[in-house]
Amino acid sequence: GQQVMQIPQYQHVQEGEDFTTYCNSSTTLSNIQWYKQRPGGHPVFLIQLVKSGEVKKQKRLTFQFGEAKKNSSLHITATQTTDVGTYFCARETSGSRLTFGEGTQLTVNP
Amino acid sequence: GAVVSQHPSRVICKSGTSVKIECRSLDFQATTMFWYRQFPKQSLMLMATSNEGSKATYEQGVEKDKFLINHASLTLSTLTVTSAHPEDSSFYICSAKREYEQYFGPGTRLTVT
Repeated sequence: GQQVMQIPQYQHVQEGEDFTTYCNSSTTLSNIQWYKQRPGGHPVFLIQLVKSGEVKKQKRLTFQFGEAKKNSSLHITATQTTDVGTYFCARETSGSRLTFGEGTQLTVNP
Repeated sequence: GAVVSQHPSRVICKSGTSVKIECRSLDFQATTMFWYRQFPKQSLMLMATSNEGSKATYEQGVEKDKFLINHASLTLSTLTVTSAHPEDSSFYICSAKREYEQYFGPGTRLTVT
């Protein structure tokens, strides 16, 4: 249906290691959005991907949208303790409604 | 950047009472706002779309008579949890869209005792 599957659910890394979270849909996505939610906080918009095969970078973060527009990934290079939080992908449907993935909770050991 | 506020940030109420949560867009007008609910360690679930000047649109499985939404102005939407029960305890978050980006409020943590 309209769900987006996100893996892994949890990821524990040592500071300096890389981190990747994946988002998959059984249907073609018009776009995919990524959000970060710090512990106790609210989701903060990171980026929106629209084009097939699109790759966007924000400093140590790299976002990809699959060629078939059914999957997406977020990769963080050389994690820092400030990267701690839960990362959500979300698909946008009619009326700008968002369906969120289950999220990947990232913890970084200093 | 755009800011969305929510009030109150935390509320504790007794079972059977009603609680009103306000969501305001502080520096832009929002004809549409969204209400989400998030249980601990879970994702956000869209409850309803709040439309300025018209009825809200509820997602499947969300009781419209229990979760009353009013969008009386371009900067304010309210969610009232009526006859609250302990299972309604959750984190309620609103959002408003400006251009292509959704801005989320800081959330309201509701505890029903």
